[in-house]
Amino acid sequence: QSALTQPASVSGSPGQSVTVSCTGTSSDIGKYNLVSWYQQHPGKVPKLIIFEVNKRPSGISTRFSGSKSGNTASLTISGLQAEDEADYYCCSYTGRASRGFGGGTKLTVL
Amino acid sequence: QVQLVESGGGVVQPGRSLRVSCAASGFPFSVSGMHWVRQAPGKGLEWVAFMSYDGDNEDYADSVRGRFTISRDNSKNTLYLQMNSLRAEDAAVYFCARDGLSSSFDYWGQGTLVLVSS
Repeated sequence: QSALTQPASVSGSPGQSVTVSCTGTSSDIGKYNLVSWYQQHPGKVPKLIIFEVNKRPSGISTRFSGSKSGNTASLTISGLQAEDEADYYCCSYTGRASRGFGGGTKLTVL
Repeated sequence: QVQLVESGGGVVQPGRSLRVSCAASGFPFSVSGMHWVRQAPGKGLEWVAFMSYDGDNEDYADSVRGRFTISRDNSKNTLYLQMNSLRAEDAAVYFCARDGLSSSFDYWGQGTLVLVSS
């Protein structure tokens, strides 16, 4: 299983946009369009916000969007709100039934 | 609504065993693949294990392969994780999660805390 690379932290002011990157390899992100993103507030359970690179589950704000280029996936949050302050994790399918998570990115809303 | 409720966590000595459970409701458990994901205190998420809907296929993270065993009882709508030869680095909150669309985890339980200490 792979460990994907995310920045430890990002920040932005209310109303701005921020992008969280997630870098893998040609064996995971580069090979499969099976990247998902999770939001986790302190002490809470992770919540799925993006699946299959750029699809949103029902009920997830359109302010959240995903993309992929080569071995790197990205999560963009537009129109930042105070409630977006949380940890964000990327995850990729890596073959068979296994998955690899990124180390997580702490988003601070200034 | 979908509910996943883990139980069985606690404090265990290094080298000992523990089994955690996940009771599912609100969805057809018997046709759903299921995972265990863990999170060490203050750390990130780590995928641990997967079992297919019928129990025929399973997979494990390298860090637990040979020590942990995932299983399920579809008649009881329950997922299990048998953890043997526990190490300090296995201490974490263990979440069960449903295998969702396109290899995502679409529903998560609240987690059960496993501490490994002498």
